[in-house]
Amino acid sequence: AQSVTQPDIHITVSEGASLELRCNYSYGATPYLFWYVQSPGQGLQLLLKYFSGDTLVQGIKGFEAEFKRSQSSFNLRKPSVHWSDAAEYFCAVEPYNQGGKLIFGQGTELSVKP
Amino acid sequence: GAVVSQHPSWVICKSGTSVKIECRSLDFQATTMFWYRQFPKQSLMLMATSNEGSKATYEQGVEKDKFLINHASLTLSTLTVTSAHPEDSSFYICSSNGGRTGELFFGEGSRLTVL
Repeated sequence: AQSVTQPDIHITVSEGASLELRCNYSYGATPYLFWYVQSPGQGLQLLLKYFSGDTLVQGIKGFEAEFKRSQSSFNLRKPSVHWSDAAEYFCAVEPYNQGGKLIFGQGTELSVKP
Repeated sequence: GAVVSQHPSWVICKSGTSVKIECRSLDFQATTMFWYRQFPKQSLMLMATSNEGSKATYEQGVEKDKFLINHASLTLSTLTVTSAHPEDSSFYICSSNGGRTGELFFGEGSRLTVL
């Protein structure tokens, strides 16, 4: 079955530490891949996206993600976390030729310790 | 980037009443819009695809008679929650790709609380 999995429900990191949020997908063909961030009670903000080409994608706020076809993964990383990064992070895929219909992972809640 | 706006941002209603949520594309024409639902501490689940000038396509398990979707113009889609119940309390978010696959724009979301 087609699915998007974020294995970590909640992650806590210290401010200034590095961060990696995991995302795995299960689809027949490589879909379009996205990472979104959501602050409490707010809508979604796009951090970055992968369509094709360079497998290392740079996004806003210092985030990057790497697409690994062999592992069906699209993990989000940041070298140094800031307290303002505390939020909910969603990985999402747009299956091939689905015209904008997104399938979201369960989300990972990030807490940042001072 | 393109802007999608939702109204109202939050609404409180009594059980049994109907509530309408609007989703507007402010600077592009949206032939297709998507409605998502998000329960507290959970992910977004696609409810339906709204198509301008035709019937919406609902995901499995979503009651089309309860969640009425109208997409009468290229800039406006509405979601009406009919005969609302407390279990309909949720965060509803719309999005559109403006006709371009892979470029999605989300509204700010509408929080519905049914008493």
